[in-house]
Amino acid sequence: NAGVTQTPKFQVLKTGQSMTLQCAQDMNHNSMYWYRQDPGMGLRLIYYSASEGTTDKGEVPNGYNVSRLNKREFSLRLESAAPSQTSVYFCASSVPSGTYEQYFGPGTRLTVT
Amino acid sequence: QQQVKQSPQSLIVQKGGISIINCAYENTAFDYFPWYQQFPGKGPALLIAIRPDVSEKKEGRFTISFNKSAKQFSLHIMDSQPGDSATYFCAASMGGFQKLVFGTGTRLLVSP
Repeated sequence: NAGVTQTPKFQVLKTGQSMTLQCAQDMNHNSMYWYRQDPGMGLRLIYYSASEGTTDKGEVPNGYNVSRLNKREFSLRLESAAPSQTSVYFCASSVPSGTYEQYFGPGTRLTVT
Repeated sequence: QQQVKQSPQSLIVQKGGISIINCAYENTAFDYFPWYQQFPGKGPALLIAIRPDVSEKKEGRFTISFNKSAKQFSLHIMDSQPGDSATYFCAASMGGFQKLVFGTGTRLLVSP
């Protein structure tokens, strides 16, 4: 099992450009998440999807959109990138019960100039 | 709005020593408190977790102490090793769905 995979690993964008971050999991998890990690601020939830076909806003959704394409894939789109969106982005998925452990991908380091 | 406050921001401990990281929360509805460990260039990974019906949970050299009345919980790493050098995040969530609120992280360095 690959676990949670993210593409790309690194990306540089100019202000105003758009891009989509891709995430896929092969653990048959129902729930998936997108976080951003900034120095001194920990991980902040952008959007999450409790199950296939549903998405909800997290703590910092402004400037982002998501698509839960199927049970495996959950993408994050920046329509018009801003320097404030320079961050490391993590995708995660979780088991639906028990420990509710979240499994994280390796991250995408995004720089917006 | 920081619902989970974590301290210290960074910590240096000698090999063999005890590392202690503290977290405080505000929302009494939180009912699940995990700790995640993150190595440079990697995503966080679950280390240990506790629910508020117990005051302590131990897994190997890692122990969570939980004080419900004070709304505080802490991670103790006994016999700290250089391989424990990483960033540690506490977190909290409520209800049956895992929507985690993370602390700001503690960068631990264990010196040889």
